[in-house]
Amino acid sequence: ETGVTQSPTHLIKTRGQQVTLRCSSQSGHNTVSWYQQALGQGPQFIFQYYREEENGRGNFPPRFSGLQFPNYSSELNVNALELDDSALYLCASSLGTSGGIHEQFFGPGTRLTVL
Amino acid sequence: SQQGEEDPQALSIQEGENATMNCSYKTSINNLQWYRQNSGRGLVHLILIRSNEREKHSGRLRVTLDTSKKSSSLLITASRAADTASYFCATDGGGTALIFGKGTTLSVSS
Repeated sequence: ETGVTQSPTHLIKTRGQQVTLRCSSQSGHNTVSWYQQALGQGPQFIFQYYREEENGRGNFPPRFSGLQFPNYSSELNVNALELDDSALYLCASSLGTSGGIHEQFFGPGTRLTVL
Repeated sequence: SQQGEEDPQALSIQEGENATMNCSYKTSINNLQWYRQNSGRGLVHLILIRSNEREKHSGRLRVTLDTSKKSSSLLITASRAADTASYFCATDGGGTALIFGKGTTLSVSS
């Protein structure tokens, strides 16, 4: 059984650019959630995908978008990058239904720096 | 916005001592979870306690939940240097997303 993996590990972009982060969920998990963690803060929920459909969204602008693929892997896309987007982006997978929170398994994260 | 607030923000203890950290939250929950994070990397799930449970144990961890006070505590007994990490409580707020607090940074020195 493989754990949650994320790529890339680190990324440096400039303001205004676009970025795509990738996540492979744990085997058998059908739900993927994305979080943004600024330095010294707790993770903030961006959105969740369940069986390829968005299943909840946090307080993030539309330039944050995502996808979930049939194999339950996922992408997070951020357009028009801003300096405040610099953060650790965490992906978490779980086995769940469209409601309720289950134990989530986190990947190691992608550290995004926007210059 | 953050639902949970951990207290204290930072805690320094010696190996062998117990560490207690507290979490308060604002809305009704289905369950509350505690996670550990080492050096700004991925979070590791420690324990989940459901709203109808009052106490739960897992190895050296003991978690309590008081839904009337909207609070929880995490006790780590006989701390080790390897327990040095940030600890977060997370609630579901009745929804589909985990809502994290700012965390408690625990430092265990030998």
